[in-house]
Amino acid sequence: GQSLEQPSEVTAVEGAIVQINCTYQTSGFYGLSWYQQHDGGAPTFLSYNGLDGLEETGRFSSFLSRSDSYGYLLLQELQMKDSASYFCAVRDRNFNKFYFGSGTKLNVKP
Amino acid sequence: DAMVIQNPRYQVTQFGKPVTLSCSQTLNHNVMYWYQQKSSQAPKLLFHYYDKDFNNEADTPDNFQSRRPNTSFCFLDIRSPGLGDAAMYLCATSRGDRGQSEQFFGPGTRLTVL
Repeated sequence: GQSLEQPSEVTAVEGAIVQINCTYQTSGFYGLSWYQQHDGGAPTFLSYNGLDGLEETGRFSSFLSRSDSYGYLLLQELQMKDSASYFCAVRDRNFNKFYFGSGTKLNVKP
Repeated sequence: DAMVIQNPRYQVTQFGKPVTLSCSQTLNHNVMYWYQQKSSQAPKLLFHYYDKDFNNEADTPDNFQSRRPNTSFCFLDIRSPGLGDAAMYLCATSRGDRGQSEQFFGPGTRLTVL
């Protein structure tokens, strides 16, 4: 089976940097994705790591260490619109299956 | 714009009354997924299709069925909805090859069971 852990809630101020961690236990692993979901909205894709290391996409970066079963999402220059829930998702060895963590609610304050 | 469409956006049904949720896509993706998401919880994978190949999750209740008559459309049938089935149901697609990891989600259908 799959088990993912994320902090339930994080608060930060506008302009700051925040890191959201994700640890996982899985019977088969192919990669780690990150999604953003605003209240009432659908998840939207942010980033994916198939290999160890850092992937950077604008203000967002994601990191993976497969040996530690650990990844994180780094958000820089926080903006109010970044207030949302962030989910990590394990891509299964059957590379078409994805299992989501419980999500981290990010509150950005002025 | 290419997209994933779900109808209806809001569905109200009565306890035990069958209901069907629909999803269509213009992305021509091979894989279509159904997720259930309850308030403040993770999206939970119910099943997915790779083309017409159906893949059920072991813990998906028998009450939930799915059909994919063609590449573009996929349906979620809930045969006898219970109060515990009230949730947001999300449809998603992906290309289905190793090199492409992104899933594209529809806006969801919020199901209320009275």
